[in-house]
Amino acid sequence: RKEVEQDPGPFNVPEGATVAFNCTYSNSASQSFFWYRQDCRKEPKLLMSVYSSGNEDGRFTAQLNRASQYISLLIRDSKLSDSATYLCVVNMGNDKLIFGTGTRLQVFP
Amino acid sequence: GAGVSQSPSNKVTEKGKDVELRCDPISGHTALYWYRQSLGQGLEFLIYFQGNSAPDKSGLPSDRFSAERTGGSVSTLTIQRTQQEDSAVYLCASSFDQTGGYGYTFGSGTRLTVV
Repeated sequence: RKEVEQDPGPFNVPEGATVAFNCTYSNSASQSFFWYRQDCRKEPKLLMSVYSSGNEDGRFTAQLNRASQYISLLIRDSKLSDSATYLCVVNMGNDKLIFGTGTRLQVFP
Repeated sequence: GAGVSQSPSNKVTEKGKDVELRCDPISGHTALYWYRQSLGQGLEFLIYFQGNSAPDKSGLPSDRFSAERTGGSVSTLTIQRTQQEDSAVYLCASSFDQTGGYGYTFGSGTRLTVV
């Protein structure tokens, strides 16, 4: 089993739609969690950290379920500019981040 | 500097040659990481430096790969006798602390092509 698993997509959604991505991780000792965004041929950039209580940043909501070992990202009111690959990232407790292979999102007009 | 700086941005080399990739992390960031990303693939961890501790080299794919970090700042990733399968984007990231609790800031990468 991969340490961090994501549905690769692509998710093709119209502008204004709500879309959700899930990610599962294998190590129950994992300590911190993030969502990164990567545009084509660019470096990954931190989108948001994921806190145990769940957190929101504008149209983006992240949630963590430790019991089931999964993380989710919800994007409301999708914009064309949201088109990118979204990377689920987990710190396994050994000071290095493990990246999922990413979920590709394409928002169309 | 304001961000993580990597050089060169692009490197084309002949198979069998050695290459050096440079990373200059954000000032004050104690942790530095190297990843690589092949076309259409996810990020593969290579090596991690934290302060003066021994680096975590567990991700280096072969003994042709090595890295050092001088003075707790600039890092150099060296690939000896390059092979075509080494072609990838090599990404460096730095973090404020070793837990990664603040996330990583990535440089824009070095695109390595071995011909």
